[in-house]
Order: sequence, then structure tokens, then C-alpha cells
Amino acid sequence: QVQLVQSGAEVKKPGASVKVSCKASGYTFTSYYMHWVRQAPGQGLEWMGLINPSGGGTGYAQKFQGRVTMTRDTSTSTVYMELSSLRSEDTAVYYCARDLTGKRGYLDSWGQGTLVTVSS
Amino acid sequence: QSALTQPPSASGSPGQSVTISCTGTSSDVGGYNYVSWYQQHPGKAPKLMIYEVTKRPSGVPDRFSGSKSGNTASLTVSGLQAEDEADYYCNSYAGNNNVVFGGGTKLTVL
Repeated sequence: QVQLVQSGAEVKKPGASVKVSCKASGYTFTSYYMHWVRQAPGQGLEWMGLINPSGGGTGYAQKFQGRVTMTRDTSTSTVYMELSSLRSEDTAVYYCARDLTGKRGYLDSWGQGTLVTVSS
Repeated sequence: QSALTQPPSASGSPGQSVTISCTGTSSDVGGYNYVSWYQQHPGKAPKLMIYEVTKRPSGVPDRFSGSKSGNTASLTVSGLQAEDEADYYCNSYAGNNNVVFGGGTKLTVL
């Protein structure tokens, strides 16, 4: 069965960077786009961007352009999301999610979430 | 890219039907038939309930249905059950490798 397992919780200081990993199993890694979505405490879902695990191509939400980098390692079926210049507003649970068909945003499998806390 | 607009809350009694709207623009909801809906219980990851406006993934009860008219998509939950109480989010493809979510609707089963 499809499984997405994310790295553990992180605590970072303002201005630092964080890199969250998402290891996929149970399907052909390069056949499905992966998205990153975050959720601040008590708030809604916010789309951050996507990556094509096959060719590595990416697309980022305008809000995160210049601050986010998504990469992948096909040898370990893992995608990564790095967010830099962290501020308190970036405190959130970060999810990776697989796209069911292409890059249309049909997110059929989700990771367990990674809590990133930004605090001085 | 602005978030899609959803009502903050909705409610219904067990057995009743409730419809949640999701309003965007001609650049997202109105421009593509690529709308999906998610259910999220507290402390859990979201679950895909509807995709491509009307399709249900296997395992999702047929009490959940989706539709779209112009720039507004809708999720209808029929025969409300206690376990349907959750937050619901829509999203839409918005072109140029972009996806946008709605702000979410808290569904209460009275």
C-alpha cells in the first residue's frame, strides 16, 4: 500500500532553514507528482508547491518563491522540502501528498505531517 | 493567487443533507474541471473525498457528491452521520503548475 513517511518534528530559530523529508513506498515513485501543503495551528491548508519526481521539475506558490526549494532523490524514493529565512509565521505542520493524476492537485495519499516550530 | 472562498461553518442534523460551496474565479474553479474535496478530522491528515469535480475514490461513501457551476464548486453530504463532523477543504488547479485551497468549512452534525 502507498506510504509516505516524513521526518520528525523540528524546532528552529528565526532566520534559519529547515529541510523536511518524505519517503515514499508502495508505488512507482517516479510516476506521480508530489505536493507540499502546510497548516498553521488552528488554520486551513495552504499549498506550497509541487515536484515531478521523474525529472525534478518544480512549481512553487508565489508566496514561497525564493524561499522554498523542493528536491528529490530517486535512489531512495524521497522528496525534500527546504524552507529558508524562517519566521514565526512559518510555524505549522508540513505535509507531503501524492497527486493521483498528473499535477491537478488530487492528493490521494498524505504523509503523517511534520511539525516545524519557529521560535527564538 | 487568492484562496478559494468557503463558508466558515455548516451544520445539519443526522440524516439530513448539507451542501458546502467553494467559490473561485475563471482562472481556477471556473477554468478547469480539476476540483477536489478533502475531509480532515482533528489531529489527522486530510483525506481525499472527491476529485475531478464529481469522482469518488474507492472507499468513499456515495453519500458524498460533488458538482460545479461556473466559478463555484459544491460538496453535498447526504444522510449526515456523526462521523461526518470534520473540516472540509476544496482545492482547484489554477494553471501554471499552481494549486489553490479554500479556507475550509467546519461541518457540525447537530
